[in-house]
Amino acid sequence: GAVVSQHPSRVICKSGTSVKIECRSLDFQATTMFWYRQFPKKSLMLMATSNEGSKATYEQGVEKDKFLINHASLTLSTLTVTSAHPEDSSFYICSARALDRGVMNTEAFFGQGTRLTVV
Amino acid sequence: AQKITQTQPGMFVQEKEAVTLDCTYDTSDPSYGLFWYKQPSSGEMIFLIYQGSYDQQNATEGRYSLNFQKARKSANLVISASQLGDSAMYFCAMRDGTGGFKTIFGAGTRLFVKA
Repeated sequence: GAVVSQHPSRVICKSGTSVKIECRSLDFQATTMFWYRQFPKKSLMLMATSNEGSKATYEQGVEKDKFLINHASLTLSTLTVTSAHPEDSSFYICSARALDRGVMNTEAFFGQGTRLTVV
Repeated sequence: AQKITQTQPGMFVQEKEAVTLDCTYDTSDPSYGLFWYKQPSSGEMIFLIYQGSYDQQNATEGRYSLNFQKARKSANLVISASQLGDSAMYFCAMRDGTGGFKTIFGAGTRLFVKA
């Protein structure tokens, strides 16, 4: 099946620094990638939809200047948490949808997730 | 508006028995897809099964089957012959045409399989 690689799997950073998380589709082209945030024992909360070559669409309540998303190619999207603070500590997970498959019935393939801890 | 509801925070099942995880949904779009994912403690999201709103038959994938009752707007997951490795979080999800075909998730059900 299709593979989505997310890197890093874990990161610890100091408060005030920025962290970049990469999401790569390894064996398919992804026009659309999604970024989710998951708090402990909670569900996945969609943060933004990332379309290749255009600006990301952010969900209500998500700060676009805080969470910078870039989707520069059909295989790579990045999420940068800028000026991170302890409250940004969370599990971030991306998913990607293949270019040549239906938007409705295709499962989105997920990365392994990134556990961010801001100290 | 889209909505996915999972009312069981936790479920216990004896090994080798079947278990049903509940999921109800709401959407005004007649065309939608329903998904179930498994999330073990490692955090990865594992796709289990898909049901389309126009599919006439309930979806099945190995030990997983989806009990789709369209009139009731429910899409329960049935796991047969439970195994210890089935212990994990299970999320029901939906995608429809509103909001750019994004997928929304239910709150999840943690399944514990007892030996």
